[in-house]
Amino acid sequence: GQQLNQSPQSMFIQEGEDVSMNCTSSSIFNTWLWYKQDPGEGPVLLIALYKAGELTSNGRLTAQFGITRKDSFLNISASIPSDVGIYFCAGYSGGSNYKLTFGKGTLLTVNP
Amino acid sequence: ETGVTQSPTHLIKTRGQQVTLRCSSQSGHNTVSWYQQALGQGPQFIFQYYREEENGRGNFPPRFSGLQFPNYSSELNVNALELDDSALYLCASSLFAASYNEQFFGPGTRLTVL
Repeated sequence: GQQLNQSPQSMFIQEGEDVSMNCTSSSIFNTWLWYKQDPGEGPVLLIALYKAGELTSNGRLTAQFGITRKDSFLNISASIPSDVGIYFCAGYSGGSNYKLTFGKGTLLTVNP
Repeated sequence: ETGVTQSPTHLIKTRGQQVTLRCSSQSGHNTVSWYQQALGQGPQFIFQYYREEENGRGNFPPRFSGLQFPNYSSELNVNALELDDSALYLCASSLFAASYNEQFFGPGTRLTVL
């Protein structure tokens, strides 16, 4: 099935470093979402974006809805060990199918 | 207020069998979406139910079917299981069909097909 192009696939960083990840699509989306999934759990929503160019923060997390509506970025500042997990982007194109399309995820490891 | 719950937690089936997975939505939520998450992949949208009707469907064959009950809990049924059906099955509930900012996921059911 269709998945968004998410990069990088994995990151290994030191505590305190900043992190950037992004997601691209060949299709336009009306909504971009970023989730975090911990082992044995379902994804948890971090940030939702609804408008091209929108920049939204949630604590140390900042995400942007690309102007072309085909991409989105997530930044994590001053990483801490509990940031470890898999981060997913997801897009919704609108319409009556209500299909949410996910990326393959970015595995983040933080070394204390 | 209870969150989204799923049962069972783990399940092992053999190829060709049928399976039913269950999901209880968060209190007050009338929309349930089901996703399949293969190992190392992101979730794939299977379908969504809103007030007991299928409201949208992804690229899954008809042997994947669902139900939503008057209390908004939901079932996912998979017939004629194949090895590739082995995955984590997630359900998510929300107040409205496209209110993704208020969509909450359950912990999933891990299905293994041998």
